[in-house]
Amino acid sequence: AQTVTQSQPEMSVQEAETVTLSCTYDTSENNYYLFWYKQPPSRQMILVIRQEAYKQQNATENRFSVNFQKAAKSFSLKISDSQLGDTAMYFCAFLAGTASKLTFGTGTRLQVTL
Amino acid sequence: NAGVTQTPKFRVLKTGQSMTLLCAQDMNHEYMYWYRQDPGMGLRLIHYSVGEGTTAKGEVPDGYNVSRLKKQNFLLGLESAAPSQTSVYFCASYSRRTEAFFGQGTRLTVV
Repeated sequence: AQTVTQSQPEMSVQEAETVTLSCTYDTSENNYYLFWYKQPPSRQMILVIRQEAYKQQNATENRFSVNFQKAAKSFSLKISDSQLGDTAMYFCAFLAGTASKLTFGTGTRLQVTL
Repeated sequence: NAGVTQTPKFRVLKTGQSMTLLCAQDMNHEYMYWYRQDPGMGLRLIHYSVGEGTTAKGEVPDGYNVSRLKKQNFLLGLESAAPSQTSVYFCASYSRRTEAFFGQGTRLTVV
């Protein structure tokens, strides 16, 4: 069974600073997809970034980037130049290539302060 | 472009009552999912479907049933609601060529 672990329940960062959210996963699959989703107070789930396991290059979307370490089964999210609008819950998620379960971690609540 | 639509958005049930949550997607996605979200526990998978007429159990299936008679619809049923089923429920649909799209969520309270 696949599991996703987010070990930081809460984090805080000052505006314009950089923060890294951790995610580890456990799987025996070789082909899979990893995601970071953002959930602001509105409760809407918003895709932040997606990584395909067969791609060695780390995904980047504007201020958001990942550090994908396949051997270590680690998938951390770096947010640069943090903005107040980044305040939200962040969920790491995993989808195996051969199965279809989309599994989420327990989330990290990020607070961006002035 | 509606995406994923969940109905209802809010509901209060008495213990023992039944209800059905409807999830509808207009993106022709094969995969659909039902999750529940509780504080500190993230999104836990209840049931999922990989195509019309197929369903499978997730992490927390007890007390719930599902059906996918049409590709665009995924129904979640509670036959006899219990206070432990008080939660926010999310539906999602997914295609391997895209991302998972989520509904707005349903806040269910069982009293």
